[in-house]
Order: sequence, then C-alpha cells, then structure tokens
Amino acid sequence: AQKVTQAQTEISVVEKEDVTLDCVYETRDTTYYLFWYKQPPSGELVFLIRRNSFDEQNEISGRYSWNFQKSTSSFNFTITASQVVDSAVYFCALSPGGRRALTFGSGTRLQVQP
Amino acid sequence: SQTIHQWPATLVQPVGSPLSLECTVEGTSNPNLYWYRQAAGRGLQLLFYSVGIGQISSEVPQNLSASRPQDRQFILSSKKLLLSDSGFYLCAWSRDRDEQYFGPGTRLTVT
Repeated sequence: AQKVTQAQTEISVVEKEDVTLDCVYETRDTTYYLFWYKQPPSGELVFLIRRNSFDEQNEISGRYSWNFQKSTSSFNFTITASQVVDSAVYFCALSPGGRRALTFGSGTRLQVQP
Repeated sequence: SQTIHQWPATLVQPVGSPLSLECTVEGTSNPNLYWYRQAAGRGLQLLFYSVGIGQISSEVPQNLSASRPQDRQFILSSKKLLLSDSGFYLCAWSRDRDEQYFGPGTRLTVT
C-alpha cells in the first residue's frame, strides 16, 4: 500500500521568512514518482514539480527548492523569502511505478502574513 | 497548449437527484483522465481514471459512476445523490505516467 504523510496541518509565517513543508511517503515499489501541487483559494491544483525515485538531486526553481532523501523517505519543500501570494494549501503526492493514480497527502495550509 | 474545462463550476442538488459533471480536455489526444473528490478541509481521493474511450477504472466503490464517450471527454454521474457526495470534484489529465494537470473543479453541495 502507498501512503503520503504531511504532518503539518497548518503553518503561519510572516512575509520574507523561509518555510519548509514536510512530506514523508511509504511505498514498496522501487520505481515511483513524487509530486508537489499548490492549491490556492480558487481551488484549482497547480503542478509544481515531479521527481522520480532514481533522481535524488535536489532541485531549485526561483524561491522554491525541494529536498528528496530516499534514506528517510522524505520529499520536503522549502519556500525562501515567502510572499503573501504563497498562501495556499500544498499537497505532496506519490505515484508508484506501474500505476497512474496519485496518492495525495492531506495537505499543509500555509498562511503568509504581510 | 492544453486546457481542461469542467462544468458546472458550482452545483446545489437535493438528495436523491441525479448528477452529471463534465470534463473536457483540449490540445492533446488520448490523454489519461481522472476524477478526484476533495471533501471539505481534506486531501484528494481518486474516484476513477481512464486510459481510453470506454475504459474506466474505479478506485473506490460508491454511489458514483464515470464514462468516457469521447477521447477528451470524461463524465461523472450518479443516479441518486447522497449527502455524503458533497465535495469539490476535480478532473485531471496526464500523458501516461507524467504529472497530472487539474481543471478548475466543481463544488457540489447536496442538500
């Protein structure tokens, strides 16, 4: 069975602070994909990143960075110098090899205060 | 570029009434299509996915059904709605095992 745990239900920071959203996953598959999505108040999920299980290189995209560690089954997401527009619910998701379905975590609500 | 549409955007239906939600994708052919439900304040639950016309896989047995009458059209239906069917319904598409792209969603309230 697959499982994604986002232990942080809600995080509140002040603008310009750095914030890290945690994601821990469980799967028996050796090949799998990990994703992060952003859900702003409008409701539509916005794709942020996909990583496959063979690529443990960390990735940086502007103020966003992702830290993938297979040893701890974690795929954490850091926003540097947060902005009010970053306020949203963020979901981590897992897609094991051979299946097309995504298993989502319960999400972390990020509130960035001005 | 590809776009995904869902309608209606919001819907209020009485218990026991039928349901039909529609999702269409433009700008791609033979996409994988998905229906998810998000209950208030919770994560997403995959309901159905389809890899081609007439091919539907159900992830969770429930009061809903899905159909794919055309390559880029995915329909979610119910013959009789239950209160527990309330939620935010999201359609998504992908190319094979690539990332999924989501539509704007339909907010359904069953009264």
